[in-house]
Amino acid sequence: EVQLVESGGGLVQPGRSLRLSCAASGFTFGDYAMHWVRQAPGKGPEWVSGISWNSGTIDYADSVKGRFTISRDNAKKFVSLQMNSLRAEDTAFYYCVKDTGNGWPSPFQDWGQGTLVSVSS
Amino acid sequence: EIVLTQSPGTLSLSPGEGATLSCRASQSVSPFFAWYQQKPGQTPRLLIYDTSTRSTGTPDRFSGSGSGTDCTLTISRLEPEDFAVYYCQQYGRTPTWTFGQGTKVEIK
Repeated sequence: EVQLVESGGGLVQPGRSLRLSCAASGFTFGDYAMHWVRQAPGKGPEWVSGISWNSGTIDYADSVKGRFTISRDNAKKFVSLQMNSLRAEDTAFYYCVKDTGNGWPSPFQDWGQGTLVSVSS
Repeated sequence: EIVLTQSPGTLSLSPGEGATLSCRASQSVSPFFAWYQQKPGQTPRLLIYDTSTRSTGTPDRFSGSGSGTDCTLTISRLEPEDFAVYYCQQYGRTPTWTFGQGTKVEIK
């Protein structure tokens, strides 16, 4: 069974940083691209960032480019999202997502349960 | 940036009726359309990808079609568990993955 377990969320002041982590299990981690998707309460999902299986291709939404950095460790089955210069509009649940494995780009097959990031003074 | 516009915003239907949900992209992205179903308190579930391919476990009452800038999700006969919010997604152009604003299918 695919498991994606996020951690690292919390309440943070505007301008500060947070690092989200996702521990993966139940599948061959190195075979799949991984993504972070966020969803504010009552809103639709918003893709944040994605990283290919070998970290060779990385992409970011315009709203986070230059502030967020995604990385992965295939040996440890881990993907991270470093979030700097946080803004109130970054407040949302952040989900670690595994794609379908059909090449880059592919849609999203499995989602973690999410971690809440709240940016407020 | 590609914008996806879904219509209608809300569909009020009865179990057993059919539903047609539409999604229009601001640029051509076919065939890289997907559809997701989201129920309250749950994460989105992939139903359809590559415009018309059902994901594993998607019932055959769900079908997808489209080309160019437009795609459609059709539910042939609504079951009680189908009442939810549906999102379309494109994954063909940068920013590479974008979602529509959602269509809520509610019980009439």
